[in-house]
Amino acid sequence: AQSVTQLDSQVPVFEEAPVELRCNYSSSVSVYLFWYVQYPNQGLQLLLKYLSGSTLVKGINGFEAEFNKSQTSFHLRKPSVHISDTAEYFCAVSPNTNAGKSTFGDGTTLTVKP
Amino acid sequence: DADVTQTPRNRITKTGKRIMLECSQTKGHDRMYWYRQDPGLGLRLIYYSFDVKDINKGEISDGYSVSRQAQAKFSLSLESAIPNQTALYFCATSDRDRDQPQHFGDGTRLSIL
Repeated sequence: AQSVTQLDSQVPVFEEAPVELRCNYSSSVSVYLFWYVQYPNQGLQLLLKYLSGSTLVKGINGFEAEFNKSQTSFHLRKPSVHISDTAEYFCAVSPNTNAGKSTFGDGTTLTVKP
Repeated sequence: DADVTQTPRNRITKTGKRIMLECSQTKGHDRMYWYRQDPGLGLRLIYYSFDVKDINKGEISDGYSVSRQAQAKFSLSLESAIPNQTALYFCATSDRDRDQPQHFGDGTRLSIL
């Protein structure tokens, strides 16, 4: 079994400020990790994924995330946000097995203010 | 054209009615999923299918049924809708390789009065 906890349900931030969205997970097997973004009236889109190798993963729109195995975390960061980054962000974990399927966190709403 | 298409995009109906939500994909993926999204609860898996002959219940399958008519089509039915099934429903697909992300449709907003 696996679970995902997104530690902040809402994150307000001013434009051009840095932001971190926090995600912790638990799993009894090794996992793949994903961040998705959902804009209003749209489905989820992949931002980035961690499969193996380098623990710092770069994604689209200037986002990056760092996998920390000892702390079982996969926090999402952006050094300078834009108004257009306002959206809901989901962390997801998928076990490294053929029968595995993803488990999603409850989401973090990022609101960027001018 | 969208890779994962959901119809209808919006639906308002009454308690007790039978409803079908449809999903079709052009990505050639084997795996398809149905989720519901409620505010503050993230995405919860209703059913998933790893190929045409494989259907599995997710964490909240009660009150729902599915049909995988072809590799490209996966429909979700509510046999007798009730108000607490009001939600945003998403279909998603993924490739058979276990490290692949999911690709989502734009969702169906369902309201049951």
